[in-house]
Amino acid sequence: DGGITQSPKYLFRKEGQNVTLSCEQNLNHDAMYWYRQDPGQGLRLIYYSQIVNDFQKGDIAEGYSVSREKKESFPLTVTSAQKNPTAFYLCASSIRGAGDSPLHFGNGTRLTVT
Amino acid sequence: KNEVEQSPQNLTAQEGEFITINCSYSVGISALHWLQQHPGGGIVSLFMLSSGKKKHGRLIATINIQEKHSSLHITASHPRDSAVYICAVTSGGSNYKLTFGKGTLLTVNP
Repeated sequence: DGGITQSPKYLFRKEGQNVTLSCEQNLNHDAMYWYRQDPGQGLRLIYYSQIVNDFQKGDIAEGYSVSREKKESFPLTVTSAQKNPTAFYLCASSIRGAGDSPLHFGNGTRLTVT
Repeated sequence: KNEVEQSPQNLTAQEGEFITINCSYSVGISALHWLQQHPGGGIVSLFMLSSGKKKHGRLIATINIQEKHSSLHITASHPRDSAVYICAVTSGGSNYKLTFGKGTLLTVNP
């Protein structure tokens, strides 16, 4: 079955360490997204990629980095520059843009930084 | 920026009741999404619509472009419908950016 796989489900890190969250899809989708979810807030876009080897900053890109070297993979690195990294991170993909195709989500990674 | 307001924030219903969740947005859009998030955190896309009405099983989504308003209806609600329902709209003229509402927590009691 096609889908999006995020790993790990839970991640714990010490402050000051960089950490990379994995996102893999086998849906053959061109577009991929990273969102952050905090309690009481709507999802916020960190980065998105329209096609392989291309990515764009979202609304809250500071302190994060991404790469899109393969169509299937869109890893997110949370750097030590991110001031409040503890959050629930969701990866998504769509055939085309979210303006004309539905989103498919992974199950998320809950990151705790202490 | 397109603001998205959902109401109610929390909704408790008895099994079998008809449920309506509302979503209002502030500027023109090309598409609106309804999503469902279960307690484990995973999100499932329910509907994407730009006009009219869509139906899938017991779920119905409608949108009124002139009034900038959408509703999600659940007929014959069931405890398994308990989840957070999220509305999202296209944002900033981009085909890739969405603005999300804060969600409506629905609890259906048996």
